[in-house]
Amino acid sequence: DTGVSQDPRHKITKRGQNVTFRCDPISEHNRLYWYRQTLGQGPEFLTYFQNEAQLEKSRLLSDRFSAERPKGSFSTLEIQRTEQGDSAMYLCASSFGQTNTDTQYFGPGTRLTVL
Amino acid sequence: DAKTTQPNSMESNEEEPVHLPCNHSTISGTDYIHWYRQLPSQGPEYVIHGLTSNVNNRMASLAIAEDRKSSTLILHRATLRDAAVYYCILRDLNDMRFGAGTRLTVKP
Repeated sequence: DTGVSQDPRHKITKRGQNVTFRCDPISEHNRLYWYRQTLGQGPEFLTYFQNEAQLEKSRLLSDRFSAERPKGSFSTLEIQRTEQGDSAMYLCASSFGQTNTDTQYFGPGTRLTVL
Repeated sequence: DAKTTQPNSMESNEEEPVHLPCNHSTISGTDYIHWYRQLPSQGPEYVIHGLTSNVNNRMASLAIAEDRKSSTLILHRATLRDAAVYYCILRDLNDMRFGAGTRLTVKP
């Protein structure tokens, strides 16, 4: 399967712990996006990379959140000192292109539960 | 940020056409109109996009009003597998901003 993959699929953690999620985009896709989705809502944009450069960050991305994409390949999203409000589905998407017409391909998401 | 307005939910009968409306009165000249859908327990998937002209692909058709302040996604023959949340999105260069979407229920 050459689609977008995310790991882990599910994560349960205690409040205050740090968590890290990984996203492997479709090979050769230069753009990678992170979204957060809570129950009953559409995905909310968090940040995106073009190759290894992080080009935009949402105000939703507090200083507890950090994302990296070393060498323009896979990406990681880390949440430090998790809070119960961080419980959500975290979606990754990738695309090829540099315009607002490129198609984003989404992964299955990582569901985070903070106890 | 340009926003979209969609009905919260719609119902359709299987094998009948479905018209999903979207209002985007604050659309700018460079915004593309994208539609994605999200099936249960899956990430969103691309359906169709357009700028000014109507568009057709194997999944659906997109009808765009002449003033671009509204658009309609058309599923020509709804199947049970089309039951999903459909998102109408105005896309600028850097990101996609989803609304709450329209939950489509397809009745057999």
